[in-house]
Amino acid sequence: AQKITQTQPGMFVQEKEAVTLDCTYDTSDPSYGLFWYKQPSSGEMIFLIYQGSYDQQNATEGRYSLNFQKARKSANLVISASQLGDSAMYFCAMRERMDSSYKLIFGSGTRLLVRP
Amino acid sequence: DAGITQSPRHKVTETGTPVTLRCHQTENHRYMYWYRQDPGHGLRLIHYSYGVKDTDKGEVSDGYSVSRSKTEDFLLTLESATSSQTSVYFCAISEAGEDYNEQFFGPGTRLTVL
Repeated sequence: AQKITQTQPGMFVQEKEAVTLDCTYDTSDPSYGLFWYKQPSSGEMIFLIYQGSYDQQNATEGRYSLNFQKARKSANLVISASQLGDSAMYFCAMRERMDSSYKLIFGSGTRLLVRP
Repeated sequence: DAGITQSPRHKVTETGTPVTLRCHQTENHRYMYWYRQDPGHGLRLIHYSYGVKDTDKGEVSDGYSVSRSKTEDFLLTLESATSSQTSVYFCAISEAGEDYNEQFFGPGTRLTVL
């Protein structure tokens, strides 16, 4: 079963508008972390935002915020005031415990295109 | 930016040949990871290391081996490359275990197996 699900393969948004990218997860571990990464066409993975399972407040980083709904197991990324440079692939990931470390499990990604 | 480099950045090779990809870090982080990225799959963990000479398998480890003889270097080897191993390979590092809130990624290596 998929542990991280991103149901939107592609999305469009008008420049300066807000957009929400969906992410749902599945875990039985009470302690976990959720991440969002951006991958522009140049290929690098850029960390955007992190939410811990015990964090009381939704994480925010500049124009990025994470709408964390624990009971629904969702961790949607909200980008406010979209810019042309926001056009990229966006990946949601969950930190999962391994025997000797922790790993990230990634969703399949959402491609966002910002229209001028 | 975290000091992570990968070499080579691009490689084309033939089926059956051995290939070694190198990940080098200057951050002295304990944990290092190798992922592969394929369309429709996001990134999937191949192998990881939690210290010098300490490595373990990830979810897609078949056909790959790794070695870590120094803190700063993590090598990924394809003993006999196959076309199914054509992919983009990313190395990542992190400082700690449970409390880390970020994995830093290298620039990636695009491997084509003909």
